[in-house]
Amino acid sequence: EAEVAQSPRYKITEKSQAVAFWCDPISGHATLYWYRQILGQGPELLVQFQDESVVDDSQLPKDRFSAERLKGVDSTLKIQPAELGDSAMYLCASSIPDRANTEAFFGQGTRLTVV
Amino acid sequence: AQSVSQHNHHVILSEAASLELGCNYSYGGTVNLFWYVQYPGQHLQLLLKYFSGDPLVKGIKGFEAEFIKSKFSFNLRKPSVQWSDTAEYFCAVNPYSSASKIIFGSGTRLSIRP
Repeated sequence: EAEVAQSPRYKITEKSQAVAFWCDPISGHATLYWYRQILGQGPELLVQFQDESVVDDSQLPKDRFSAERLKGVDSTLKIQPAELGDSAMYLCASSIPDRANTEAFFGQGTRLTVV
Repeated sequence: AQSVSQHNHHVILSEAASLELGCNYSYGGTVNLFWYVQYPGQHLQLLLKYFSGDPLVKGIKGFEAEFIKSKFSFNLRKPSVQWSDTAEYFCAVNPYSSASKIIFGSGTRLSIRP
C-alpha cells in the first residue's frame, strides 16, 4: 500500500539551530500539505502545495519557516533558527486535487524537540 | 474564519458503552467532512468521510457519522466501543471553495476502560 514517507522520525535540536524535514508524498498526489501538531491539539496547516506552487501559506511563520517542492514531488520544510516553541509533531500529507475526493493521507510525522 | 469545534476534549467510557463525539463547523457553503483517528504511536488514519449523498456515513471498525446540514454538525457514533478504540479522534472539514484545504478540530481523546 502506498504511503507518505517522512524523515527523520525524531529530531532533537538546540534552539537557534537550523532543522529540516523531508516528505515524499504518494505517487501521483499533486497536493501536498505540511501540518504542525502540538501535543493535545489538532493539526494546524502550515503550508499547502499544488504541484510545485504554494496554494496556502497563511499560517506559516515566514520569518523562520520555509518550504519548497521544487519538482512538484517531494518537499522540504525548514526552520531557521529553531525556537523552544517549535517543539511539535510535523506532519506531511498528500491528496489528489479533486473536490470529490480530497481525502488526505498522512505520514508518520517528524517529532521535533528543541532544547 | 473557518473553524471546526470538538467540544469533548476527553471522553472515558467502559467497554460496550455507546459513543457519540460531537463536531461542529463554521462554514456556510458546501463542505467535505472527515473523521480521522490516531491510535497511540501511529499516524493519522481516515475513519470515514462524507462528500455527498446519504448523510449517514459508515466507516471502518463499526463507526458511523451523521451529517446534519442545518446544525453544521458531523457527529461520530459507535454503538458498542472496545478497548482497542482507545485513541485520539479528529474531525476535519474541507470547504469546497478553499482549494483542498483541510481544517482540523482540536481532537477528542477517547479512553476505554476494559
